[in-house]
Amino acid sequence: AQSVAQPEDQVNVAEGNPLTVKCTYSVSGNPYLFWYVQYPNRGLQFLLKYITGDNLVKGSYGFEAEFNKSQTSFHLKKPSALVSDSALYFCAVRATGFQKLVFGTGTRLLVSP
Amino acid sequence: NAGVTQTPKFQVLKTGQSMTLQCAQDMNHEYMSWYRQDPGMGLRLIHYSVGAGITDQGEVPNGYNVSRSTTEDFPLRLLSAAPSQTSVYFCASSPDSHQPQHFGDGTRLSIL
Repeated sequence: AQSVAQPEDQVNVAEGNPLTVKCTYSVSGNPYLFWYVQYPNRGLQFLLKYITGDNLVKGSYGFEAEFNKSQTSFHLKKPSALVSDSALYFCAVRATGFQKLVFGTGTRLLVSP
Repeated sequence: NAGVTQTPKFQVLKTGQSMTLQCAQDMNHEYMSWYRQDPGMGLRLIHYSVGAGITDQGEVPNGYNVSRSTTEDFPLRLLSAAPSQTSVYFCASSPDSHQPQHFGDGTRLSIL
């Protein structure tokens, strides 16, 4: 079975500070990992993915994520947050050989001026 | 380039009514899927398709039917609407199941 946990319902950070949104996963075999962002009244937008290779993945809008196999984590990071980064962020996982993508419950990021 | 188009954007139904949520993509993607988004539960997969003529169930398929007669279209049918199906529904597509998905802007469905 595949599962994803996003332990924080909301993350608050001041503009200019670094941000981290946490994600841990559970799959049998090798994972495909994704981060998506959702703005109000819109569909999800792809940010970045990890399939294989370098553990540090760089994505859109200055976001990056670090794959840690031993801790089964894929935390989303950004060195300097912007107010416009405020949105709902979803982590998702798919196991190799499976067709289904499983999403976490989402973390709301609030960046204050 | 429209991407993934969902219609309608909003709908109110009475319990027991049926309806079809439309989804169309113009990117020639083989993989399409339907999710529902509920507060505190993230996105849950309802049905998916890996190509025309091929569909399969996701996590929460009960009460929903799908078909995939063309690559472009993947409609979701509610056979007999129930209040528990009040949700926001998203359709998504990708070239295959390994690739990131492109999402439509959703259909907000209320069932009274």
